[in-house]
Amino acid sequence: SAVISQKPSRDICQRGTSLTIQCQVDSQVTMMFWYRQQPGQSLTLIATANQGSEATYESGFVIDKFPISRPNLTFSTLTVSNMSPEDSSIYLCSVEEPRGGGGYTFGSGTRLTVV
Amino acid sequence: GENVEQHPSTLSVQEGDSAVIKCTYSDSASNYFPWYKQELGKRPQLIIDIRSNVGEKKDQRIAVTLNKTAKHFSLHITETQPEDSAVYFCAAPQAGTSYGKLTFGQGTILTVHP
Repeated sequence: SAVISQKPSRDICQRGTSLTIQCQVDSQVTMMFWYRQQPGQSLTLIATANQGSEATYESGFVIDKFPISRPNLTFSTLTVSNMSPEDSSIYLCSVEEPRGGGGYTFGSGTRLTVV
Repeated sequence: GENVEQHPSTLSVQEGDSAVIKCTYSDSASNYFPWYKQELGKRPQLIIDIRSNVGEKKDQRIAVTLNKTAKHFSLHITETQPEDSAVYFCAAPQAGTSYGKLTFGQGTILTVHP
């Protein structure tokens, strides 16, 4: 299966600052997806990142708050900007399994705490 | 957009019993339905998925059934074991988009008592 390296694994940040999360995949993938999982909650899609084009954001998420980069087919970053305690969540990236068939796998996640 | 409802929110069973978790979805055009297992502090892991051209899929103790007419699908775990204890999420893709753009159910906390 696809191996996704996501970092940092966790961080504690001051409100008003920004954190950039990195996601590195061991194979080339067309699309990468960023999700948020608030404490004790389900997963919510933030945006889809395609190489060579602007990311597309879901309702309730905006580029100014969650800028995304996708410089090549194996790497993406998500920045959480101007953080507040409400941004405390686990952030996960997801890609399609190289075997195809529609299965999607997740990175190990970044546990963010904003104080 | 897609709306996914999952029930029950918690499920407690004795080891060896069966467990069933049900999800309904809103968009009749949806055609891919994965189930994820998330253990405490870990990433969600895909355990089984089904496409709309089949009604049931099995993988050892795990099965998923799909009723497209009623727009619901279910996860069945037989002969449960304590290591099955986790949070389970169903999901469905936003219709007409990549299967990776998933809408998740609210999750079911499954506890298997030895």
